[in-house]
This record gives sequence, structure tokens and C-alpha cells, in this order.
Amino acid sequence: SQELEQSPQSLIVQEGKNLTINCTSSKTLYGLYWYKQKYGEGLIFLMMLQKGGEEKSHEKITAKLDEKKQQSSLHITASQPSHAGTYLCGAVRSGSARQLTFGSGTQLTVLP
Amino acid sequence: EPEVTQTPSHQVTQMGQEVILRCVPISNHLYFYWYRQILGQKVEFLVSFYNNEISEKSEIFDDQFSVERPDGSNFTLKIRSTKLEDSAMYFCASSLYNQPQHFGDGTRLSIL
Repeated sequence: SQELEQSPQSLIVQEGKNLTINCTSSKTLYGLYWYKQKYGEGLIFLMMLQKGGEEKSHEKITAKLDEKKQQSSLHITASQPSHAGTYLCGAVRSGSARQLTFGSGTQLTVLP
Repeated sequence: EPEVTQTPSHQVTQMGQEVILRCVPISNHLYFYWYRQILGQKVEFLVSFYNNEISEKSEIFDDQFSVERPDGSNFTLKIRSTKLEDSAMYFCASSLYNQPQHFGDGTRLSIL
């Protein structure tokens, strides 16, 4: 089965600092999704990556899917307290499946 | 922006009772999903639904679970005889073909 490992498990940064979260798969990724979750709330879609080497940005967040399609990174530039929350990567395990398998999440705290 | 809505936000039920969790997906979406998240654990896939039938289901989705789209707007998850271990946050999601899944805020189910 698809397993996704996220690192680090938690991260505390000072406001204004850059940070990177990684998501590594044991198998080829057919689609990789990044979501943000605040405690006790739903998942907010951030970005979708499907092609090896693909990179997408939205505001201060950039996500990349490596060429071999087994690892993705999420980079936040000049972090703000509003970036705090748990970041989850989710993957589709085959070209035809739709179910998402999620990593354990990275809990981000941004200190003002 | 259209969103997925879930009701109730919190449901408390006695063990052995039936419970129905309700979702209104985004109106033009065709694919519907249920996931659950036990406190402190990963978000886990339960079932996906397309064209009025189940398209995928996980091992968790056993005979005590069922899904239904009773009309053109609602999507429900029924748990027939609840167990203590069914206590979790249940998320509904919807999507278009090969597009990101959008999640609701969840229903917190507490089994006593």
C-alpha cells in the first residue's frame, strides 16, 4: 500500500523565516496534494502536483514534485502566524484510483 | 466560493445506536468521498461514490457502514450499530474528474 512519510513531524519557526516540509513516498506518485488543517477543522486544499518536475506557487507557498515522482516538498517563504497549522500531503496510489492516502502531517508553529 | 457543508458539527451517540452523517457537496461535483480521522491519527479513506454507486472502499468500510445520495444535493454516511472505536472526525469531500478534493469542516462523532 502507499505509504507517505512527512518530515519534520513538527516545526517551530520565528515569523519571517523560510521553511521546508518534505513528503516521501515508498511508491511512484500519480498525484500529490498538499492540504492545510487547523486543529479540529477541515482540510483546506493548497496545491496539486501531477507531473514529475512540476512546481507550483501560491502567494508565499511553493510546492515541487521531484522528477522521479516519489518526493514532494512544500516551501514557505517569509512565514507569518497565519501559516500556522498542520500540513498534510496526500497521494493518489494509481492512475485510476481516486482515494487519497495521507501522511501523518507536519505541525507548524510560527512565533510572532 | 462554493464549499462542502457537513451537519451536524458534533454528534454524540450511545454505543449500538445508528447514526447518519450528512454532507452537501459542491453542486457541480461528480465524485464524493468520506474520510475519517481518529484523534491524533492520520486522515483515512473510507469510501468514494460516483454515478450513484460505490467506486472504491477501504477495509474500514465494512457492513456496518453505508452511503447514499438520496437526492440531487445530499450525500450521507450511515453507521448502523456504532462502536466505541467509531469515535472520530468524519470528513466529506467532493471533486470533479481528476481535480482536487474539497473537504468539509467535518462532523465530530463521539460514541458513549
